[in-house]
Amino acid sequence: KAGVTQTPRYLIKTRGQQVTLSCSPISGHRSVSWYQQTPGQGLQFLFEYFSETQRNKGNFPGRFSGRQFSNSRSEMNVSTLELGDSALYLCASSPGINTGELFFGEGSRLTVL
Amino acid sequence: GESVGLHLPTLSVQEGDNSIINCAYSNSASDYFIWYKQESGKGPQFIIDIRSNMDKRQGQRVTVLLNKTVKHLSLQIAATQPGDSAVYFCAENRPANDYKLSFGAGTTVTVRA
Repeated sequence: KAGVTQTPRYLIKTRGQQVTLSCSPISGHRSVSWYQQTPGQGLQFLFEYFSETQRNKGNFPGRFSGRQFSNSRSEMNVSTLELGDSALYLCASSPGINTGELFFGEGSRLTVL
Repeated sequence: GESVGLHLPTLSVQEGDNSIINCAYSNSASDYFIWYKQESGKGPQFIIDIRSNMDKRQGQRVTVLLNKTVKHLSLQIAATQPGDSAVYFCAENRPANDYKLSFGAGTTVTVRA
């Protein structure tokens, strides 16, 4: 069974640009969550989607958005990039909601110059 | 602020010895805790979880202990191996937080040969 797949793995952007990251969950998993990981702040929750609906959102500005498609694949978008958005963005999937057992992808490493 | 925190940011262990990683939490209403392992270049991987109605739970070479009196949990790894070198995170998941996983800062475990 294939794991969680995130694309692209690495990308470099400049301030003011926007970026879209993609996540394909494990087959059959309907919940997708996104986390931002930085050395200073650690792992911080961005949002969770289930059945194409955003269930939860973390404490991030409106520049961060996401969506989930009918096949459970998810995308997140960051507009007007800032230097502080440089981070590893992790996607995790699970069969359902309200579980602590998440299956993480390897992440998308975003560098903002 | 952070609701779960790790006691030590780094831990160096001799191969074959037992490792103990500690974590404290602040909210007495927290009822579900999870340990994750993150190897270099990879996403976090679920290790083991424990609910507040338990004091101890064992997995393969790992044991999690929960002390609700002092709001402390620990992860014990028996006979530590080189492959155990990673960053270990404790996380909590509680209804009041809409089941969003809240991660601690992480302990980097280095196994000495």
